Amino acid sequence: EIQLVESGGGLVQPGGSLRVSCAASGFTSSDHYMDWVRQAPGKGLEWVGRSRNKASSYSTEYAASVKGRFTISRDASENSLLLQMKSLKTEDTAMYYCTRAAGGGYSASDLWGQGTMVTVSS
Amino acid sequence: DIQMTQSPASLSASVGGTVTITCRASQGIGGHLAWFQQKPGKAPKSLIYAASSLQSGVPSKFSGSGSGTDFSLTISNLQPEDVATYYCQQYNNYPLTFGQGTRLEI
Repeated sequence: EIQLVESGGGLVQPGGSLRVSCAASGFTSSDHYMDWVRQAPGKGLEWVGRSRNKASSYSTEYAASVKGRFTISRDASENSLLLQMKSLKTEDTAMYYCTRAAGGGYSASDLWGQGTMVTVSS
Repeated sequence: DIQMTQSPASLSASVGGTVTITCRASQGIGGHLAWFQQKPGKAPKSLIYAASSLQSGVPSKFSGSGSGTDFSLTISNLQPEDVATYYCQQYNNYPLTFGQGTRLEI
């Protein structure tokens, strides 16, 4: 079955760090661009960042709100996408979704995971 | 950053009816627009890419149109299961940006 499964969310204090993961199955994630998108409770969708595919050297793009604090990377051996978050703020509290997009050029998401909840609170 | 403005913010329609949601970009994005459906308590689902192309498995009751700055999503033969919030997203420029969402009630 083609799917994305996020994990690793939880409660973390402001200023802390957390790593969430997205395991891909049923397809080779290295062929695809992959995004992180978040949704604060009761709010709309916010794009967090993108990892391009292996052919594009897994280069990355980030939203201004997370640049310098969040890092997107791949674990090719595990066919997974990672999001390392540091210096977390209360406004980072959200459901974090990973998405799959096509590879190359302009790519829209075509597959979403179920999300993992990150709560930043003291 | 490109701002995406959806209208209306919410709407109510009848079973069997048709609705249209519009999305306007603050600058031209060609046809690089996607639509997503998020049912209450669920993860979003991809409906349309390239403004008018249906994702695999999406029923033909959903249709998209537009280019440049003005886009629309039309849903026909509305059913109770279409209750959801619908989002547009531009993927022409980084950062990718979403509209604020349109809540559909049946």
